[in-house]
Parts: sequence; C-alpha cells; structure tokens
Amino acid sequence: DAKTTQPPSMDCAEGRAANLPCNHSTISGNEYVYWYRQIHSQGPQYIIHGLKNNETNEMASLIITEDRKSSTLILPHATLRDTAVYYCIVRGRTTSGTYKYIFGTGTRLKVLA
Amino acid sequence: EAQVTQNPRYLITVTGKKLTVTCSQNMNHEYMSWYRQDPGLGLRQIYYSMNVEVTDKGDVPEGYKVSRKEKRNFPLILESPSPNQTSLYFCASSLSLATSGTYEQYFGPGTRLTVT
Repeated sequence: DAKTTQPPSMDCAEGRAANLPCNHSTISGNEYVYWYRQIHSQGPQYIIHGLKNNETNEMASLIITEDRKSSTLILPHATLRDTAVYYCIVRGRTTSGTYKYIFGTGTRLKVLA
Repeated sequence: EAQVTQNPRYLITVTGKKLTVTCSQNMNHEYMSWYRQDPGLGLRQIYYSMNVEVTDKGDVPEGYKVSRKEKRNFPLILESPSPNQTSLYFCASSLSLATSGTYEQYFGPGTRLTVT
C-alpha cells in the first residue's frame, strides 16, 4: 500500500496562505490523493482530491508534482477556523481488490492571529 | 440534511460487558466503514462493508464484529471489551468504493469509548 509522509506540525499567520506538503513516493499510477481535515476530535472532513492535475475548489487548491511523488495542499487565506489536523491520504487496495483509504498521522496546522 | 450519526457519543464501560455502537447514514451509500483513532496512530480501519450483507476486515479487526442487515445501518459490536479498545471511533460512509470511483467519505461525529 502506498504510504504518505507529512510534517507533524506547522504554523501559519492568519490571512496568509498555508502550504501543507505531503510525500507519497510509492503511489501507483491510478491512485488518487485525498486531503481531509479534522478539527479537534470531530469526524474528518473532506477537502479535495486529485490524480495528476492540479485541482481547486472553494476550500483549497491541490498541487501534485509531475512525477506524482508529492503534493501540496494550499489554503489561500488561512483563518483561525482552519486550525486542524490535515491528512493526506492515498487510496489503496484491500486483499479482496476493493479500495480503502490509508490515513497517516497528519499535519497539525495552527493558524496564528 | 445528509449525515452519518453515531450513538452513543460517549461511553464508559467495564471489561467484558458487551456493547454496540450504532451507525446510521441517510445518503443511501453502499460503502460503510469503522475506524478507530488513537494518539499518534492516526485513523485505522476496523471493518468495512461494500453493501448489505457484505463485510470484510480492515487493518485492526480483532475484538470487533459488525453486521450490515440494512443499507443505512452498520453497527460495531464489542463482544467482550478490553481496556486496549479504549479509543475514539468513527463511522464513515460513501458511494461504492468497489470501483475506481473517487467518492469522498462522510464521517460521523465519533464515539469516545473508555473500557475500565
């Protein structure tokens, strides 16, 4: 199964862009990269996903390197409410051939006032 | 409102006393899953279900049982809870993961279980 590696913690000033990196060097050609976040101990919340092209939605942008070995989640104007743990996830396959999410330990982002 | 609900949200129990944590979703999702979250270990999958009457083990299934008799419900059963099952549990659902679809998972609010 492809694994992801993220820095354990990051700080970002309020109003600035938060750039959260993720390494997934063992990713397969058809595996998507997903990003979720978890605020306090609430259920994780979906942010964005991508395969090889850069993606943008109302929450964030996802930049995937050309070799797909790493990606960066960008929160363009971080607010205090963006303080959370951010998970970079690759979908792997179960032994029965279906897909499953593989969560790492995430990056704890702290947005500073 | 589309949502995944779990009950109870908090539970303190004693070793060996059987318990069930319920999970229900109102989005007609085929796929449902249970995770546990422990400090420093992230989320680990316990069991998942591709559809009604179809369940399979995740990464940490020991000590747990599940059933999927109806599409909307996916209860997690601890037949004989032990202290090492003290954890934060999340139920999640999505459209089918059987194919290469890119469906997001919706998570419930979590159940904090303490086994003494």
